[in-house]
This record gives sequence, C-alpha cells and structure tokens, in this order.
Amino acid sequence: KQEVTQIPAALSVPEGENLVLNCSFTDSAIYNLQWFRQDPGKGLTSLLLIQSSQREQTSGRLNASLDKSSGRSTLYIAASQPGDSATYLCAAGRSGSRLTFGEGTQLTVNP
Amino acid sequence: SAVISQKPSRDICQRGTSLTIQCQVDSQVTMMFWYRQQPGQSLTLIATANQGSEATYESGFVIDKFPISRPNLTFSTLTVSNMSPEDSSIYLCSVEWTQPKNIQYFGAGTRLSVL
Repeated sequence: KQEVTQIPAALSVPEGENLVLNCSFTDSAIYNLQWFRQDPGKGLTSLLLIQSSQREQTSGRLNASLDKSSGRSTLYIAASQPGDSATYLCAAGRSGSRLTFGEGTQLTVNP
Repeated sequence: SAVISQKPSRDICQRGTSLTIQCQVDSQVTMMFWYRQQPGQSLTLIATANQGSEATYESGFVIDKFPISRPNLTFSTLTVSNMSPEDSSIYLCSVEWTQPKNIQYFGAGTRLSVL
C-alpha cells in the first residue's frame, strides 16, 4: 500500500526566502507525482505534474523534482511571497489515475 | 483546464439523514473521483466514477454508505447516507484531464457538518 509523507508539517519563513518542501513515497512504481496548493476553506489547485519518466517540472517560481529510485519529490519555491501562504500537498499517482495524498505542509510566508 | 462546480458548498445536517452532493464539469471527462478530507487530515479517495459503469470503491468505503451516480460525461453525484458526526468532512470531486495527461483538477469542495 502506497504511503506518502511530507516534511515539514509546517514551515514559517520571511518573505523573499527560497524554500524546499519534501515529499516521500514508499512504492516507487508510481505513474506520476502531482503537487497541489490548498487555501483555507478552498479546494485544491494543481501546481505541477511530473510524469514517472520525467525528473522535474517548472512553472514560474516553482520547480518540482522527482527521484523515483529514492522515493522522493521536492517542491522548490523561489523568492517566496505572502501570497504563497497555503497548505501544499503532494500526491502519488497509481493505476486507474487514483491519487494517494500526503498530509501536507502548511506554509506561512511573513511580510 | 477544467472548471468544476460543486453544490452545496457547505451544509449542516442532522444525524441519520442523507445529503447528495453534485459535481458539474464544463467539459466532457471520462474519469471523475470523489475524495474525503476529514478535519486536520489529508485527502482520501472514496471512489472512482466512470460514465456507464458502476463506481469503484476504495477499501473502507461501501456503496450503501456512499452511493454514486454518473449519468453522463459532465456530471456526478455522491450521497452520504445515514449520516453520523463522524461523516463531518470536506467532500471533493476531481476530474482527470487528458492534456497534460493524468493531471487532476478539483472542485472547491462541500463542507459537511453532522450534528
């Protein structure tokens, strides 16, 4: 059974700092790895999708990497802003397009 | 990307009653999913709903408790039956988009409180 773990559970940084969120998964036979953002009381916003054959994906200030052999993915956020404050979730894709989610990292960026 | 509308956005229900949650997508999609997010926890997949076939439920979830309909390629419903306070959660639907392949988009969720 796939298990996804995210470290740290919470992170507070000053504005402008570069930061890394970590995601690990126990079963390396994933189809893809997806990062989401969840704002309080809201649904999920897809940030980046890395296919199992890819090593990384970039979108603006966000860069996600994937190392299947070690069961790890990281989300790098450059020059963080207060608007980046949210909970970040990673999800491992398995057969049938089903996702297994981690517990999330709650990020606070202080002005 | 897909635009997903969920109704209701929130509800407060009495123990023993049932609530049906609707999920409407602005484009035709093959695969739709229903997730539950219990307070302070991450998302857990309830079932996969494909048009024209019975929903496929994950371990720990049964059709009698969470009946699902998928009458066409843009709509699905999830019913939470015979509710108890333990069913208080956020329920979210998602769809799989084919470009890029396998990316999933989520609705805003239905926040359910059971008294």
